[in-house]
Amino acid sequence: DAGITQSPRYKITETGRQVTLMCHQTWSHSYMFWYRQDLGHGLRLIYYSAAADITDKGEVSDGYVVSRSKTENFPLTLESATRSQTSVYFCASKRLPGQGPSDEAFFGQGTRLTVV
Amino acid sequence: KNEVEQSPQNLTAQEGEFITINCSYSVGISALHWLQQHPGGGIVSLFMLSSGKKKHGRLIATINIQEKHSSLHITASHPRDSAVYICAVRSYTSGSRLTFGEGTQLTVNP
Repeated sequence: DAGITQSPRYKITETGRQVTLMCHQTWSHSYMFWYRQDLGHGLRLIYYSAAADITDKGEVSDGYVVSRSKTENFPLTLESATRSQTSVYFCASKRLPGQGPSDEAFFGQGTRLTVV
Repeated sequence: KNEVEQSPQNLTAQEGEFITINCSYSVGISALHWLQQHPGGGIVSLFMLSSGKKKHGRLIATINIQEKHSSLHITASHPRDSAVYICAVRSYTSGSRLTFGEGTQLTVNP
């Protein structure tokens, strides 16, 4: 299906385990982003990518790793999950400025991760 | 202090009322976005604006660059408008990254 999809939608994992959240978009958007959403905070940027093989840290990147070997995929890995990483994670994508009719960002449905 | 402040945090209205949600920011911006997060969690973009005013159906977004302020208005509100409304800005120094407000929880009662 066209669009941006995240998987899984829900995940429970144990402290110390590695877990990977998947994000896939079908528009060939250059930019992709990972955010986390927590009570008392707005969406906070974890990592972003401007193109395949180009990634950069956001404001809350500690404990997370990303890769972008293909334009359409942007997986987020928690190397050793901690309870503080319990959150709702959103992936988003957007075009390069000027490459389309709109500069808006498109969001996935979110992944609710619980670390026990 | 957050770079993006929204008010109110929570808003309850009766169906049909005119609703205003405010967003103030403290940095120079190239664009401001209004997003809607449905009760199921999905986020959709409502508006992106850098000046003036935009209208889509019953939704109107305005921005005053000099005052660093934007408003989202909903006319003739309906229970299906119940959602979290999020303001986000793209600053001149942030490239394509957005900074988000905490959101305004809107509940419209029938």
